[in-house]
Amino acid sequence: EVQLVQSGVEVKKPGESLKISCKGSGYNFATHWIGWVRQMPGKGLEWMGIIYPDDSDTTYSPSFQGQVTISVDKSINTAYLQWSGLKPSDTAMYYCARLGTSWPLDYWGQGTLVTVSS
Amino acid sequence: QSALTQPRSVSGSPGRSVTISCTGTGSIVGRYNYVSWYQQHPGKAPRLMIYDVSKRPSGVPDRFSGSESGNTASLTISGLQAEDEADYYCCSYAGTNTLKFGGGTKLTVL
Repeated sequence: EVQLVQSGVEVKKPGESLKISCKGSGYNFATHWIGWVRQMPGKGLEWMGIIYPDDSDTTYSPSFQGQVTISVDKSINTAYLQWSGLKPSDTAMYYCARLGTSWPLDYWGQGTLVTVSS
Repeated sequence: QSALTQPRSVSGSPGRSVTISCTGTGSIVGRYNYVSWYQQHPGKAPRLMIYDVSKRPSGVPDRFSGSESGNTASLTISGLQAEDEADYYCCSYAGTNTLKFGGGTKLTVL
């Protein structure tokens, strides 16, 4: 069974750094792109970027380029999303998802809620 | 900059059909046959309902169907049921390893 399990709720202060994780199981993790999606409170889904675990090839949405870093450790089947200086506007639910052939996000993690507040 | 436009809301009565449109600018719908649709219930992760414009993953009821005409993709839900009430998002491959989501449509089952 394909599963993506994300790390837990985070509450941070502005300016702090953060790295959240997404661990895949039940499939060949290295050969499927992993994507990250943001959902701000009461808003829609926003595609942030994707990474190919086998070679760490990464593409960012222009809206998120330079704002976050996507990385992966294929030895432990885990993808990451990190910030070096959080802002209150980063408050959101963040989802990871596996990309199937022809680009659908076919399996999703349960989401990680990040709250940034002083 | 390409964009996908969806109606903010649609509604329908149980047993009837509704169609949600997803109109693309910048030639992403119609250029790539990689449109997918997601259902999201409140507080839940999105669920893939349709991919490659009109294919259904296993486990998705055949009441859900997808189509495309020109620069507009559509999701049709027939035989509406109460549990179909949710937010629906279209998504398209937009070239060079990028994806684009529509703004989402809230479906109300009357």
